[in-house]
Amino acid sequence: NAGVTQTPKFQVLKTGQSMTLQCAQDMNHEYMSWYRQDPGMGLRLIHYSVGAGITDQGEVPNGYNVSRSTTEDFPLRLLSAAPSQTSVYFCASSYSSPPGPLFEQYFGPGTRLTVT
Amino acid sequence: AQSVTQLDSQVPVFEEAPVELRCNYSSSVSVYLFWYVQYPNQGLQLLLKYLSGSTLVKGINGFEAEFNKSQTSFHLRKPSVHISDTAEYFCAVFPYTGGFKTIFGAGTRLFVKA
Repeated sequence: NAGVTQTPKFQVLKTGQSMTLQCAQDMNHEYMSWYRQDPGMGLRLIHYSVGAGITDQGEVPNGYNVSRSTTEDFPLRLLSAAPSQTSVYFCASSYSSPPGPLFEQYFGPGTRLTVT
Repeated sequence: AQSVTQLDSQVPVFEEAPVELRCNYSSSVSVYLFWYVQYPNQGLQLLLKYLSGSTLVKGINGFEAEFNKSQTSFHLRKPSVHISDTAEYFCAVFPYTGGFKTIFGAGTRLFVKA
């Protein structure tokens, strides 16, 4: 049971390039989400999914796309990278959503992205 | 709207001393409350959560937190810290509004000194 995995661990992009951050979980969780972590700001929700084929925007969705074709995978696409997207990106999954006694998010190890 | 304020950005403490990391929140609806720990270059790990019931919640690694509804606080405590507790700690709330809205505090860096 690998939990939540993310690739790559590190990435450097030039302004205007596109790329996809990969996220996978093997716990059969319905709920998956992407966060970015910036110094002094905690984590902010980018996009989330409540099941295969269903996604929605979070707090800071601009410049990012997501899709959820399978329960296991939830990739995050940067369409045209900008220096403001330099951040650490975390993927998380959970069995249920709040409110619910079983709600608990499991986080991946993160992807550190630098855009020059 | 909801917000989370972690009152201290950094907390230095000597090994075996007690520690309290403070978290206040603002919300017009009921919320679930969480504390996460992040060790260097790792993802977040759940320490403890308050969903309902007893306001004193015990978590992993000897941490506990107390929910105070009147003061809208959820402070994290440990009676005796170890060097290995050096990490960043995040308070988070999830409002009872359905959907998947999550709000994290800015984090408190705990530094345990020998």
